[in-house]
Amino acid sequence: AQTVTQSQPEMSVQEAETVTLSCTYDTSESDYYLFWYKQPPSRQMILVIRQEAYKQQNATENRFSVNFQKAAKSFSLKISDSQLGDAAMYFCAYRSAKGGSEKLVFGKGTKLTVNP
Amino acid sequence: DTGVSQDPRHKITKRGQNVTFRCDPISEHNRLYWYRQTLGQGPEFLTYFQNEAQLEKSRLLSDRFSAERPKGSFSTLEIQRTEQGDSAMYLCASSPPGLAGGPKYFGPGTRLTVT
Repeated sequence: AQTVTQSQPEMSVQEAETVTLSCTYDTSESDYYLFWYKQPPSRQMILVIRQEAYKQQNATENRFSVNFQKAAKSFSLKISDSQLGDAAMYFCAYRSAKGGSEKLVFGKGTKLTVNP
Repeated sequence: DTGVSQDPRHKITKRGQNVTFRCDPISEHNRLYWYRQTLGQGPEFLTYFQNEAQLEKSRLLSDRFSAERPKGSFSTLEIQRTEQGDSAMYLCASSPPGLAGGPKYFGPGTRLTVT
């Protein structure tokens, strides 16, 4: 079974600085999707960024970018120019592209604090 | 676009009772997901609908859980004979057609407490 590990339960960053959140996963498959979700305090979870495993180019969404290392099974999230609104729980997730499954496997999350 | 809504937001019930939760996805989103999240954990997949068809259900889900999406719009999740281990946040999510991958928008969740 696939597993997702987020080794940093908590991280903090100064406003306007850059922070990187780590995620590793375990799978024997070659085709899959990876995601980062953001869950602000008392607010709804939203999709931040997604990456298809067959794409070598790292995904980017504005201040959010990923470093996808397929061989190392690593998928880190970089947040540039951190803002107070970036404070949230961040979850890394994996989805197989095989067999039509829509099931996401989530990590336990990293709580990000942004200091003014 | 009013977002994914869930009702109720909180539910307290006694062990052995049945509970039902409702999810209203974003209009025209044909894909709907249910997840469960306990404290300190990431969400855990329960089930997935495409339109009115339930295409996937977690093997971890016992027979006490059932979900429906009768007209391909709103969905209900029912838990029969609740147990204390069912206490969790139940999240609904939806995605539009044509977006490959996982759910894009989650609802605020229904927090279930079983006493």
